[in-house]
Amino acid sequence: DAKTTQPPSMDCAEGRAANLPCNHSTISGNEYVYWYRQIHSQGPQYIIHGLKNNETNEMASLIITEDRKSSTLILPHATLRDTAVYYCIVRVVNAGNMLTFGGGTRLMVKP
Amino acid sequence: GAVVSQHPSRVICKSGTSVKIECRSLDFQATTMFWYRQFPKQSLMLMATSNEGSKATYEQGVEKDKFLINHASLTLSTLTVTSAHPEDSSFYICSASEGGRYNEQFFGPGTRLTVL
Repeated sequence: DAKTTQPPSMDCAEGRAANLPCNHSTISGNEYVYWYRQIHSQGPQYIIHGLKNNETNEMASLIITEDRKSSTLILPHATLRDTAVYYCIVRVVNAGNMLTFGGGTRLMVKP
Repeated sequence: GAVVSQHPSRVICKSGTSVKIECRSLDFQATTMFWYRQFPKQSLMLMATSNEGSKATYEQGVEKDKFLINHASLTLSTLTVTSAHPEDSSFYICSASEGGRYNEQFFGPGTRLTVL
């Protein structure tokens, strides 16, 4: 799986949009971009994934650049409960394929 | 959504004893289960991958005789830490996948192991 690079930490004001960047310049054509988050002392939670088109669900939006070398996870209205470590992972989707977690971005949402 | 449970949520044991952690997929059948370990302020590290009815595949550096994994059914996998030592104290997290087009992994809440 391709490596990803994320800033180690970010702050965001409550109610504002949180934009979390991820660089995956060596991504292959068959690799998807996945985002998970881990709230302190809990298991990771799936947020969203995409291949090349932008995606949106009830939790977040995922913007993938045209060359697919980077992406941005957007939490449109961050709340204090969104404080967590956010992991960007690229992976090939096939049976048994595991997730490789990097360092992630520690997002602190402040009142 | 798919729910994965772990039991116990936290355990404290004496050095030299064995501890079993259960991982269950509650509303789906998991063809593959994964076990991760996470030390304080570090990321998750994959320990092993298990498929129902077959032997687990361990990552490099993980002792298969120390961390026994059993995936006896499509809804249950167990991790047994044998002869636990203080350095085995960690947060153990399982995930389960039912296959399908995107082979999503759903994570359990984790088990905090403290070895005295």
